[in-house]
Amino acid sequence: AQTVTQSQPEMSVQEAETVTLSCTYDTSESDYYLFWYKQPPSRQMILVIRQEAYKQQNATENRFSVNFQKAAKSFSLKISDSQLGDAAMYFCAYNAGNNRKLIWGLGTSLAVNP
Amino acid sequence: EAGVTQSPTHLIKTRGQQVTLRCSPISGHTSVYWYQQALGLGLQFLLWYDEGEERNRGNFPPRFSGRQFPNYSSELNVNALELEDSALYLCASSYRGHSYNEQFFGPGTRLTVL
Repeated sequence: AQTVTQSQPEMSVQEAETVTLSCTYDTSESDYYLFWYKQPPSRQMILVIRQEAYKQQNATENRFSVNFQKAAKSFSLKISDSQLGDAAMYFCAYNAGNNRKLIWGLGTSLAVNP
Repeated sequence: EAGVTQSPTHLIKTRGQQVTLRCSPISGHTSVYWYQQALGLGLQFLLWYDEGEERNRGNFPPRFSGRQFPNYSSELNVNALELEDSALYLCASSYRGHSYNEQFFGPGTRLTVL
């Protein structure tokens, strides 16, 4: 069965510092997609970054980058120069094939301290 | 471009009642997904509709049902409400032409069952 695990229920970071959120997944598929979504207290789920499994290069979106280790089935999110607006729940999600449904981790609550 | 919209924002029902939640996808998106986000359980996939057809269903009882209309909007119906149905119900849409299935989320409907 495909599963996504986020082992850090809560994290905190000082403003302007860097934080890394962990995600591991289990799959027998070779072609799939991984996502990090952010859900602020306003609850609107927003896509942060996407990684295609067939791409070796790690995805980057401004201050957000991933460390994708396919063999280890690891997909961590690094947030650089953390801002107060980064405080939110962060969810790791997986999608493969024609299934189209996203499989989610339980999330990591990130607090940003001024 | 208008995002995914959901109505109503909040609902309070009692056990045994029925409820209908509504979702309008982003213009041009043909796929609509429903997720249940219960406290402590993360997001659970409910249903996927595309081109008016149910394409996939999560591990939920038959009292959870829905449909997709010709304009691609969707309804989620829950019959015989139970206390554990209290959750945030999120709708997402995607453009089926994208293999990576990036899903765009609405703000959700908060359902409370008393």
